[in-house]
Amino acid sequence: DVKVTQSSRYLVKRTGEKVFLECVQDMDHENMFWYRQDPGLGLRLIYFSYDVKMKEKGDIPEGYSVSREKKERFSLILESASTNQTSMYLCASTVSQSPYEQYFGPGTRLTVT
Amino acid sequence: AQTVTQSQPEMSVQEAETVTLSCTYDTSENNYYLFWYKQPPSRQMILVIRQEAYKQQNATENRFSVNFQKAAKSFSLKISDSQLGDTAMYFCAFSPNFGNEKLTFGTGTRLTIIP
Repeated sequence: DVKVTQSSRYLVKRTGEKVFLECVQDMDHENMFWYRQDPGLGLRLIYFSYDVKMKEKGDIPEGYSVSREKKERFSLILESASTNQTSMYLCASTVSQSPYEQYFGPGTRLTVT
Repeated sequence: AQTVTQSQPEMSVQEAETVTLSCTYDTSENNYYLFWYKQPPSRQMILVIRQEAYKQQNATENRFSVNFQKAAKSFSLKISDSQLGDTAMYFCAFSPNFGNEKLTFGTGTRLTIIP
């Protein structure tokens, strides 16, 4: 079975802190994605990556950056956390060929106080 | 830009009944993929069913089936013989062209199956 893991299920950080969210997949998938999930807004794409060291902005990249130094690992970085970044963060991965199913991690619920 | 609309924030149905979740989308693409994902309470999001726009036949996976109306840009999910384990948030999602690109999600429908 494909497994996508995220470093923390729950995280509490203070305003202004630098926050790292880690995602690891074990199926050699080329593509990896970071979403944030908010009630009434669904999932919105923050960043995605098609290959090691490749990254592209999604729909809401402001305030975030990413790093992909190894194929299996995709990190989301909040350079200076703010309260409006309190949310559920979901990581996903997929292969480049059909059936294109995205496999999701369990999510990290981040609270910024 | 593509948009996906789910107009039913919440739904509930008795166990064993059939329920249909609605989804409409807007795109100028001719080839694309549509998905329904399920997010059970406190559990990971999983794929329920997938439809390729160039296929006219509606996709079916056991108790789950879709009604894909390309001209109307409509993609509804029908759950037959609903079970308690079907209680979840359901998200409709769109992916252009090759399907491995970013997904655009709807806002979700919270479905509750009543025993």
